[in-house]
Amino acid sequence: ETGVTQTPRHLVMGMTNKKSLKCEQHLGHNAMYWYKQSAKKPLELMFVYSLEERVENNSVPSRFSPECPNSSHLFLHLHTLQPEDSALYLCASSASDSYEQYFGPGTRLTVT
Amino acid sequence: GQNIDQPTEMTATEGAIVQINCTYQTSGFNGLFWYQQHAGEAPTFLSYNVLDGLEEKGRFSSFLSRSKGYSYLLLKELQMKDSASYLCAVSFHMDSSYKLIFGSGTRLLVRP
Repeated sequence: ETGVTQTPRHLVMGMTNKKSLKCEQHLGHNAMYWYKQSAKKPLELMFVYSLEERVENNSVPSRFSPECPNSSHLFLHLHTLQPEDSALYLCASSASDSYEQYFGPGTRLTVT
Repeated sequence: GQNIDQPTEMTATEGAIVQINCTYQTSGFNGLFWYQQHAGEAPTFLSYNVLDGLEEKGRFSSFLSRSKGYSYLLLKELQMKDSASYLCAVSFHMDSSYKLIFGSGTRLLVRP
């Protein structure tokens, strides 16, 4: 069983909706990540949090807003998304930002 | 710029050995990861190389040459369950922040 959980596993939303993705890690790690995985494209790192502080934002549009209230939880708030934002969104955690990452099962997002 | 290249697809026979290559161009290199991803599942960690040389872990080995910007993943005694995508990822620091980029992945098909 993975130590990183994500909810929901599937989400369909309209372009005017607001929704949030949740990630929780039970591994005692200090770093958490959000990734986007689209078909036929490399895994894209979106955000990195280390010790609850955002240390990286890879030029992600502002319609994606991360939140890390503590070292075990990570959220991705979504608003006014576009159809091209449809993808698998993966959360991961690691002991620190230079160590191997453990991935959650992902949220399959469809924007209609 | 930063770039990672790996073959798109490979085919091998059950019981055989296969080598998946990865070349990269980055500055501020930290380390190189290999992940395995089965279709519809999250990536799982295989190996992490920081120093030059070969790291062996059971049937899987990973090699790194930092001077050549080159790595390979070696899979021995192939099994049908090894059919998956293999992702090469490079971590580096830029402007005091942590970066991680993934290659597009190599889809390996193991035939009986």
